[in-house]
Amino acid sequence: QLQLQESGPGLVKPSETLSLTCTVSGGSISSNIYYWDWIRQAPGKGLEWIGNVYHSGSTNYNPSLKSRVTISVDTSKNQFSLKLSSVTAADTAIYYCARYQCSSTTCNSFDYWGQGTLVTVSS
Amino acid sequence: DIQMTQSPSTLSASVGDRVTITCRASQSISSWLAWYQQKPGKAPKLLIYKTSNLESGVPSRFSGSGSGAEFTLTISSLQPDDSATYYCQQYNSYPWTFGQGTTVEIK
Repeated sequence: QLQLQESGPGLVKPSETLSLTCTVSGGSISSNIYYWDWIRQAPGKGLEWIGNVYHSGSTNYNPSLKSRVTISVDTSKNQFSLKLSSVTAADTAIYYCARYQCSSTTCNSFDYWGQGTLVTVSS
Repeated sequence: DIQMTQSPSTLSASVGDRVTITCRASQSISSWLAWYQQKPGKAPKLLIYKTSNLESGVPSRFSGSGSGAEFTLTISSLQPDDSATYYCQQYNSYPWTFGQGTTVEIK
């Protein structure tokens, strides 16, 4: 059974960089039919897509965050990572990693999610 | 960006009721729409993908329909376990976007 697990600091100071890692177990991050995504949810709010990475390292980002976001992949560790720079209180949220499935026949969107990790931006 | 608008924002229904949630896109997204269920403190769970395809393990009382820019999620017979917030999401074009959510309460 595929599992995704987010890890990283739960508290980040304003203007610093938020760094999270998602470890994938029970499956390979190098499969050709998956993208690996980050999604966040501010407390009591809806879902916001941050961006994704393919096993080759190619990325797609939400334009609203693009200037501050870097998503990378480490296939040797079966992990992918998120860096969000110059954070403010508005970046306080639960951050989820998720798998996006898209084969030659259909795309299923986000079929597996991590449990999420709360990151608070505060001094 | 494609804007996704769900209605209603909240609904209250009784066990056994038929419940319908609507999701409208600001432009055509073909059939690239997914529905998720989220319970408090949990990650969203995929229910429906590509408008009408039931994810494995999801009860058959959930169904999806629509095309273009208007879509619906139907729960044919509401159960107590269905109390949750439901989100639609388009994956026709980047950036992927979600509706604001519909909270379903059991009377």
